[in-house]
Amino acid sequence: AQSVTQLDSHVSVSEGTPVLLRCNYSSSYSPSLFWYVQHPNKGLQLLLKYTSAATLVKGINGFEAEFKKSETSFHLTKPSAHMSDAAEYFCVVTGTYKYIFGTGTRLKVLA
Amino acid sequence: DSGVTQTPKHLITATGQRVTLRCSPRSGDLSVYWYQQSLDQGLQFLIQYYNGEERAKGNILERFSAQQFPDLHSELNLSSLELGDSALYFCASTVGGGPGTDTQYFGPGTRLTVL
Repeated sequence: AQSVTQLDSHVSVSEGTPVLLRCNYSSSYSPSLFWYVQHPNKGLQLLLKYTSAATLVKGINGFEAEFKKSETSFHLTKPSAHMSDAAEYFCVVTGTYKYIFGTGTRLKVLA
Repeated sequence: DSGVTQTPKHLITATGQRVTLRCSPRSGDLSVYWYQQSLDQGLQFLIQYYNGEERAKGNILERFSAQQFPDLHSELNLSSLELGDSALYFCASTVGGGPGTDTQYFGPGTRLTVL
């Protein structure tokens, strides 16, 4: 069965420093993987997706993620955090019939 | 703007009542997914419809039901409402019956408050 684990429920960074949000997955086949961002009281917005093409995926707003099959990881990174990045981030893996969501990581950006 | 619309934006009602939430998928998308997001349960998948037929079921209560109409919009009906049903309800749409490589596009959500 497929599953996804977001390793940190909260992450705090200072503005201008790098962001790392960690996601591990489990799947018996090659899944598709997504990162979504949710700002308070808003819908989920797609940041990027991996579908077995390039292992380094570039997304919107300077985010990128690297698919590492050997480590079953799909961590989200950004070189320099901005105040507007403060939000909740969800890692998603495709299952047979549904999308499986991680529990979310709340990113706080300190001025 | 994802192209997925949801109405109403906010809904306040009393325990025991029934409400209907509406979702219109992106143009060309055939699947609609419903999710419930609450502080204690996180994001929970409820149900998926593909081209008018139920495709997959998640943690949907018996008091809840959904359908997808010929024009592909979907409605989620919640009845005998309880305080614990207060949550954000999202719908998402995809092109195919999913998941595969399809991207889900989410609507802005309906915030339901049960008093």
